[in-house]
Amino acid sequence: AAGVIQSPRHLIKEKRETATLKCYPIPRHDTVYWYQQGPGQDPQFLISFYEKMQSDKGSIPDRFSAQQFSDYHSELNMSSLELGDSALYFCASSSSTGNQPQHFGDGTRLSIL
Amino acid sequence: AQSVTQPDIHITVSEGASLELRCNYSYGATPYLFWYVQSPGQGLQLLLKYFSGDTLVQGIKGFEAEFKRSQSSFNLRKPSVHWSDAAEYFCAVEIYAGGTSYGKLTFGQGTILTVHP
Repeated sequence: AAGVIQSPRHLIKEKRETATLKCYPIPRHDTVYWYQQGPGQDPQFLISFYEKMQSDKGSIPDRFSAQQFSDYHSELNMSSLELGDSALYFCASSSSTGNQPQHFGDGTRLSIL
Repeated sequence: AQSVTQPDIHITVSEGASLELRCNYSYGATPYLFWYVQSPGQGLQLLLKYFSGDTLVQGIKGFEAEFKRSQSSFNLRKPSVHWSDAAEYFCAVEIYAGGTSYGKLTFGQGTILTVHP
């Protein structure tokens, strides 16, 4: 079965640079979520989109922005990167039809030098 | 504020032994409950979920979990652990947000499971 696809899998950036993470949800899933998992930490919710509209917002820095496109894929844009942004970034998707759990991608590991 | 607590940071068991990982949540209503497993550097794989109904839910890889409303708990169990079960396990809750399932997940701190041969 198709899963959530995230790209790139690994990304190395320097401080103050920008990064764009991409997420392709499972087909027919209309909701996308972004989470950040620091080293040794549990995943923390950043932001979510339902039908291309932002549906909820968590502890996402103002330097970050995200959107969901007409084909339901989503991008997380990160600017003025800081050392503390080094983390594993997960995208998850779900269907709003019935009780559906979130399915996670393998994540993008972002390292800031 | 809602919270999820996994009291055990690290558990070590012998292969073939039984396993129970604890999870407690703090929220006024009954949330949706999940267990995810994460191998090092990998994504989160859904083990099982509870939305409503039967409080004992079966998942993949021989895992089960029991929802106990009176104790606000959702403990994960497996009768016989295999070496391949070594990983980190996260309990998560989702608050149902009305007519659509766009509720965020709140995770516990995770429990690292080590399996001795």
